[in-house]
Amino acid sequence: KNEVEQSPQNLTAQEGEFITINCSYSVGISALHWLQQHPGGGIVSLFMLSSGKKKHGRLIATINIQEKHSSLHITASHPRDSAVYICALRIQGAQKLVFGQGTRLTINP
Amino acid sequence: GAGVSQSPSNKVTEKGKDVELRCDPISGHTALYWYRQSLGQGLEFLIYFQGNSAPDKSGLPSDRFSAERTGGSVSTLTIQRTQQEDSAVYLCASSSGRGVPYNEQFFGPGTRLTVL
Repeated sequence: KNEVEQSPQNLTAQEGEFITINCSYSVGISALHWLQQHPGGGIVSLFMLSSGKKKHGRLIATINIQEKHSSLHITASHPRDSAVYICALRIQGAQKLVFGQGTRLTINP
Repeated sequence: GAGVSQSPSNKVTEKGKDVELRCDPISGHTALYWYRQSLGQGLEFLIYFQGNSAPDKSGLPSDRFSAERTGGSVSTLTIQRTQQEDSAVYLCASSSGRGVPYNEQFFGPGTRLTVL
């Protein structure tokens, strides 16, 4: 069983829709990262969470440590949000990141 | 520069050749990571450097892979006797190393390696 599971694997939506991407994990963590990877491969760190909720523009990330679950929400989605979104765990006692398989998001105009 | 840089951006090599990939982290960042993303696969950790500490090499897939970090700054990932399964995008990231374990990682653009 993978230490981190993302769902859905692929998501297609219309511009303006509210988007939710989920990440569940099975190990103790010190932090959880949400990353965005655009076509062409560049990776941008969106959020780093250890508890609660963070908001940046139209993006919101939440984490529930007890339930070992995190969600990334995008409000008023736009075609430029089309990318692969990756959940990554910093496992307790380690520095490396363990990555989910990613969610490919496509927002149609 | 303002961000993490990597060179070359693309590398095509023949099976059996050695390759060197370079990473220039953000100035002042003490932590440096190498990751690999194979086609259609997720990202996987390769190696981690933190200051003068011994690196965490637990992700290196075989003894053909090695990395060094000179002077606590630039890092080189070396793959000896390349195989076709080494074809991937190799990503480097750096972080400030302060506030461990919560510090954010900044990724470079990656090097796309193709082994023919």
